[in-house]
Amino acid sequence: DAKTTQPTSMDCAEGRAANLPCNHSTISGNEYVYWYRQIHSQGPQYIIHGLKNNETNEMASLIITEDRKSSTLILPHATLRDTAVYYCIAKTGANNLFFGTGTRLTVIP
Amino acid sequence: DTAVSQTPKYLVTQMGNDKSIKCEQNLGHDTMYWYKQDSKKFLKIMFSYNNKELIINETVPNRFSPKSPDKAHLNLHINSLELGDSAVYFCASSQEGTGRDIQYFGAGTRLSVL
Repeated sequence: DAKTTQPTSMDCAEGRAANLPCNHSTISGNEYVYWYRQIHSQGPQYIIHGLKNNETNEMASLIITEDRKSSTLILPHATLRDTAVYYCIAKTGANNLFFGTGTRLTVIP
Repeated sequence: DTAVSQTPKYLVTQMGNDKSIKCEQNLGHDTMYWYKQDSKKFLKIMFSYNNKELIINETVPNRFSPKSPDKAHLNLHINSLELGDSAVYFCASSQEGTGRDIQYFGAGTRLSVL
């Protein structure tokens, strides 16, 4: 599985878009990019995933660069409940997910 | 209905005891997992079961043994508990597919070994 690199922490004003970057420069052609988040004291929660096309669901959008070496998770209108640790994972399937240190997003009122 | 449920939510016990944590999923998934999250918040996979077969064991001590009576349940039994076993344990499940599988997690069991 490709290594991913994320900033340790970010702040975002409530109501604004939160853009969380992830680098995965060694990603292989069949590896998907998954995003999960963990709100304090809860189990991780799946957000979105993609292979090469941009993806959008009710929670977020995922923008993957054309060379697939990086991606950005976008929470379009961050709320206080979006404060969490966000994990970017690159792999071929869901089994054996490797959770790194992630990005701690703090949404500020 | 909770998709992935774990019991108990909290478990406090003495060193040397044997304990079990239960996990049930009602999603019809064929693969279940156990993760450990330590005090530094690192989340690491311990086991997964697919159709009653162990398919991952990430160098976990053999004091830990997963038991799956059926594909909806994956229980974690721990023998001779040690202080270092104190952590939050998460159960998860997924449906094997075409590389786009998603894992669904339980709320966690906070184990404290005294």
